[in-house]
Amino acid sequence: DTAVSQTPKYLVTQMGNDKSIKCEQNLGHDTMYWYKQDSKKFLKIMFSYNNKELIINETVPNRFSPKSPDKAHLNLHINSLELGDSAVYFCASTVTGSPLHFGNGTRLTVT
Amino acid sequence: GEDVEQSLFLSVREGDSSVINCTYTDSSSTYLYWYKQEPGAGLQLLTYIFSNMDMKQDQRLTVLLNKKDKHLSLRIADTQTGDSAIYFCAEPYSGNTPLVFGKGTRLSVIA
Repeated sequence: DTAVSQTPKYLVTQMGNDKSIKCEQNLGHDTMYWYKQDSKKFLKIMFSYNNKELIINETVPNRFSPKSPDKAHLNLHINSLELGDSAVYFCASTVTGSPLHFGNGTRLTVT
Repeated sequence: GEDVEQSLFLSVREGDSSVINCTYTDSSSTYLYWYKQEPGAGLQLLTYIFSNMDMKQDQRLTVLLNKKDKHLSLRIADTQTGDSAIYFCAEPYSGNTPLVFGKGTRLSVIA
């Protein structure tokens, strides 16, 4: 199946831990994103990578570090997790001029 | 585009038409998008309209664009219970593809 896939789907962890979320797309897109959706369903862009280069970095704590080993992957590593990091994180991809294709999200719960 | 505004809730009876409204800020936006998010799922592209169009029809969906007022609307004819979801209006971020989303309109369809 052609898609944007994220793992894990659910992630429950304690404050202070470090965790990673992985994203892969097999659509041949050259740009990938991370969006955060809070409990009110508001969506905000966090990062954007084009051909493995960071092109957008919104006001996000530096505990969040994206890593793009190649065009098809964009992972999100989060250090020292805080309660406020609880949200659904969406990966998305596109090629210039086309709509975004989203993954199904990773629901992160920090306890 | 920095601010995309939508009303947060809409409730309609099954079989009626639904109209979801959105105002955007960036007059240079080339495309404007509607995404649908069903409970527990990611965002699916529903439809989009190119900025040189006033209207686009796709089966039960009609998108109207008023560039002068920067107003976008999505009309769903013969609304069904399966249309219950959150609908997001989106415009490109600073002229590039990354999207800025409205806060989403939660459509509830009453049988």
